[in-house]
Amino acid sequence: DAKTTQPTSMDCAEGRAANLPCNHSTISGNEYVYWYRQIHSQGPQYIIHGLKNNETNEMASLIITEDRKSSTLILPHATLRDTAVYYCIVWAAGNKLTFGGGTRVLVKP
Amino acid sequence: KAGVTQTPRYLIKTRGQQVTLSCSPISGHRSVSWYQQTPGQGLQFLFEYFSETQRNKGNFPGRFSGRQFSNSRSEMNVSTLELGDSALYLCASSLGSNMNTEAFFGQGTRLTVV
Repeated sequence: DAKTTQPTSMDCAEGRAANLPCNHSTISGNEYVYWYRQIHSQGPQYIIHGLKNNETNEMASLIITEDRKSSTLILPHATLRDTAVYYCIVWAAGNKLTFGGGTRVLVKP
Repeated sequence: KAGVTQTPRYLIKTRGQQVTLSCSPISGHRSVSWYQQTPGQGLQFLFEYFSETQRNKGNFPGRFSGRQFSNSRSEMNVSTLELGDSALYLCASSLGSNMNTEAFFGQGTRLTVV
């Protein structure tokens, strides 16, 4: 019962920006958009989250559309170590955190 | 600040046995959630505990249970193990307040049922 839709996979060139789209057309007003990534057999790693404003941290930028129905995670300069499965999740505190299938990102040299 | 600690990291059990997995959350975090990850089903939510009470529950049979202690540490138990229970079991901790903050995951316990 994931509430997000992401492409199954995408490739990215090392050193270039990676733009990962996510659709969440049924997002509720109190739900935030979260991004996690999982490198093979490790626990998911938190990347960034936001409500309606664009956010940036040392790992990535999050662009949320004005209607909040979609968002894009931007990895500004992809490295080989960014190869992972990226999960876009909508979540409100107190609710269960539900993962979808994610996007398998392969960064190529 | 120590991260989320799960023990053991690896476990092999026989069908029909039971198993207990442990999760120590980040200090100050009151919410602990458990997930099962298999190649076929992905990351599936099991349950969440907050202040020693189960707050949310996923769609798993009653063989899967959990509890949380007063120090926020949590345990998850699976009884009458089946081959299909082989998976990576992950726990995540968060403040659990009404404010949206990030959840942090442990490295998981890889359970193999033979």
